[in-house]
Amino acid sequence: GQNIDQPTEMTATEGAIVQINCTYQTSGFNGLFWYQQHAGEAPTFLSYNVLDGLEEKGRFSSFLSRSKGYSYLLLKELQMKDSASYLCAVTNSNYQLIWGAGTKLIIKP
Amino acid sequence: GAVVSQHPSRVICKSGTSVKIECRSLDFQATTMFWYRQFPKQSLMLMATSNEGSKATYEQGVEKDKFLINHASLTLSTLTVTSAHPEDSSFYICSARGPSGGDHEQFFGPGTRLTVL
Repeated sequence: GQNIDQPTEMTATEGAIVQINCTYQTSGFNGLFWYQQHAGEAPTFLSYNVLDGLEEKGRFSSFLSRSKGYSYLLLKELQMKDSASYLCAVTNSNYQLIWGAGTKLIIKP
Repeated sequence: GAVVSQHPSRVICKSGTSVKIECRSLDFQATTMFWYRQFPKQSLMLMATSNEGSKATYEQGVEKDKFLINHASLTLSTLTVTSAHPEDSSFYICSARGPSGGDHEQFFGPGTRLTVL
């Protein structure tokens, strides 16, 4: 089967750094996405990785290792508004988007 | 950027009635749109892939006669929940592939909260 694993919930402190991990097993690979979803809202795009390495975009960075089936999303200088769920999703060989269950990130002052 | 709208944002209906949800790509043409359902504290579940001018492709376990999808134009897809029941209460989200038509990104609508009494 195909599955995406990420922690259910994480807690971090305002101003700190947090890393959210994602491991995947899919039938083929055509890219990995990270989305942010606030409660009651639709997901918003954060990042896309298709090659190994680190992609940096402001306070957010995303890393991919295809050989390990692993990615992480790194959030720096955490702000209260970063409290949300973070969804990892992988496009498989059929270009289907396989979604993880999401990681709920709680930011404390 | 690519913007996707959904209407209505919230709907409350009685059991047995039908509800139509619209998904529009506002500033680009979307040959492919996706319909998701999300229950509280759960991940997105793909219901179907909507292709302009052809029949939708439904995921396993999704009743195509209950969830009618029509992709009549390059900017509009509709999802009709027929004979809705309380268990159909959920957050329904549509998305569209980006303007380039590639798979690099899906742009999401704001979602529709359906409550069936």
